[in-house]
Amino acid sequence: SQQGEEDPQALSIQEGENATMNCSYKTSINNLQWYRQNSGRGLVHLILIRSNEREKHSGRLRVTLDTSKKSSSLLITASRAADTASYFCACTGATGGYQKVTFGIGTKLQVIP
Amino acid sequence: NAGVMQNPRHLVRRRGQEARLRCSPMKGHSHVYWYRQLPEEGLKFMVYLQKENIIDESGMPKERFSAEFPKEGPSILRIQQVVRGDSAAYFCASSPSGGSYEQYFGPGTRLTVT
Repeated sequence: SQQGEEDPQALSIQEGENATMNCSYKTSINNLQWYRQNSGRGLVHLILIRSNEREKHSGRLRVTLDTSKKSSSLLITASRAADTASYFCACTGATGGYQKVTFGIGTKLQVIP
Repeated sequence: NAGVMQNPRHLVRRRGQEARLRCSPMKGHSHVYWYRQLPEEGLKFMVYLQKENIIDESGMPKERFSAEFPKEGPSILRIQQVVRGDSAAYFCASSPSGGSYEQYFGPGTRLTVT
């Protein structure tokens, strides 16, 4: 299984600080995605990083991928109260053809104003 | 461009009744995925469908659960004879093609079995 596992499971920081979440997986991947879920809502796609990429930026988000360690990190800089949500990584396998996306259990981020 | 639509948003059923959850993918998307999320847990894959075809149902319970994506109309996830353990949020996602593309999620249907 290439299931992603996020770490930490919960994180509480002050507004303005940076938040870092990590994701580890077990088998080779084609790509890895990060999603955000606000309480009681659906998932919002944040960023996709392919296996041949090492780093990707989108606004205040920075994602890194280390395929040798089978891990990825999501950094949110200058956090805001509105960033409070659960964050999930999702892995897609690399064996070609259809590979279902497998989600981790998420990191619950709380940004305190 | 409307996003993925799911209805109803909330559904309450008594034990033994049937639950029907509907999902309309984004315009131009022909791939639909269903996931279940229990409280405080991540999403568990249930089934992947294309129009008129079930591609992967490895995450579906063997009994009482079925899914379809007809040529016309929304995808339907059907749960027969619901039990309390079926209470969860059910999310639908769509993509323009299967596998490696990002999936776009609907707001979910929260099923409560009383």
